[in-house]
Amino acid sequence: AQRVTQPEKLLSVFKGAPVELKCNYSYSGSPELFWYVQYSRQRLQLLLRHISRESIKGFTADLNKGETSFHLKKPFAQEEDSAMYYCALSRPTNAGKSTFGDGTTLTVKP
Amino acid sequence: EAGVAQSPRYKIIEKRQSVAFWCNPISGHATLYWYQQILGQGPKLLIQFQNNGVVDDSQLPKDRFSAERLKGVDSTLKIQPAKLEDSAVYLCASSLGGGDEQFFGPGTRLTVL
Repeated sequence: AQRVTQPEKLLSVFKGAPVELKCNYSYSGSPELFWYVQYSRQRLQLLLRHISRESIKGFTADLNKGETSFHLKKPFAQEEDSAMYYCALSRPTNAGKSTFGDGTTLTVKP
Repeated sequence: EAGVAQSPRYKIIEKRQSVAFWCNPISGHATLYWYQQILGQGPKLLIQFQNNGVVDDSQLPKDRFSAERLKGVDSTLKIQPAKLEDSAVYLCASSLGGGDEQFFGPGTRLTVL
């Protein structure tokens, strides 16, 4: 069975500090992995996906197949990064069942 | 480009009543998802459609929940009869295909009293 675990429900850092949101997954294959973000009063939206290898809003995420992790990182957190972050996994086909973690609430203090 | 539309935005019902939610995905998106999000938890997939066929409904409580996607466009999710534990936000999302970026609607907040 596929599973996504985000061990931290809450994470608080000061502005300018580095931040890392952890995500571990279980899946017997090569999954598609995503980070979604929900800002206050907004819809859930994609932040980044592992196959694009892009840096979005200063965030990066590296897929570590050995550790089955997909942690989200940013070297210098900003107050506008305060939001709910969800890690998600999909099977890489049209039968791609989607599984989300329970999310981490990030608060960036001034 | 218009986003995913859902209605109603809020619904309050008593237990054992019925309720239906509607979703209009982004035009051209073949895959449509319904999620249940209970407070403090992540979205849980209830059912996933590819066009008008069901790809996965393994977590759908079929004794009370049903969903359809006629003509492979709009979709309706129904609960009959509702239980207290069905109180949650119901999210609809769509994507070009399974495994692609999902675009989410605003959700319907259901309260069962």
